[in-house]
Amino acid sequence: GAGVSQSPSNKVTEKGKDVELRCDPISGHTALYWYRQRLGQGLEFLIYFQGNSAPDKSGLPSDRFSAERTGESVSTLTIQRTQQEDSAVYLCASSSRWGKDQPQHFGDGTRLSIL
Amino acid sequence: GQQVMQIPQYQHVQEGEDFTTYCNSSTTLSNIQWYKQRPGGHPVFLIQLVKSGEVKKQKRLTFQFGEAKKNSSLHITATQTTDVGTYFCAGPHTGNQFYFGTGTSLTVIP
Repeated sequence: GAGVSQSPSNKVTEKGKDVELRCDPISGHTALYWYRQRLGQGLEFLIYFQGNSAPDKSGLPSDRFSAERTGESVSTLTIQRTQQEDSAVYLCASSSRWGKDQPQHFGDGTRLSIL
Repeated sequence: GQQVMQIPQYQHVQEGEDFTTYCNSSTTLSNIQWYKQRPGGHPVFLIQLVKSGEVKKQKRLTFQFGEAKKNSSLHITATQTTDVGTYFCAGPHTGNQFYFGTGTSLTVIP
């Protein structure tokens, strides 16, 4: 596929459960971002991966949130003990290389609903 | 901390009218990017501005970067229903973060 792929597209779960969201970046893209977008709001930076460097986790809102990425491939965002305030669309974006002048290519997102 | 604000938050226009959204940063930016998000869709990169005072055009869209590199604007001439969506500016922060603006949601009334 040519674009960023995210799964699942929708996830409904009960409060307190753990969820795992997946992002498959564009092949060859070394930089990967996770964002959270609440309904009608802007994008909130969560975490950034660049190649094999240590990730920038400065945007993670709490220790319930974690993310992993193996090399330059798939990334997973895990939310433990979900709360209703975690309900949002989680967007993943990749760019071709590190650099603040690189356009970001977004996936369609995972819409997470916590009951 | 750094903030990127956009105004207006919402804008309704009649088809054929012009539209402008403004983006203001509390700090100087090395560059600024603009994205468009259609309803139910994901943000799509439109353009990047790098130089002070830079102006770029894409058909009916005109993008400007302020002289002080702290503000930017997007102007759409003669809006069409295909212009509907939310327009975000985004500026790089220290480290690896990008701060996205609060967005301007454009509705075009046929």
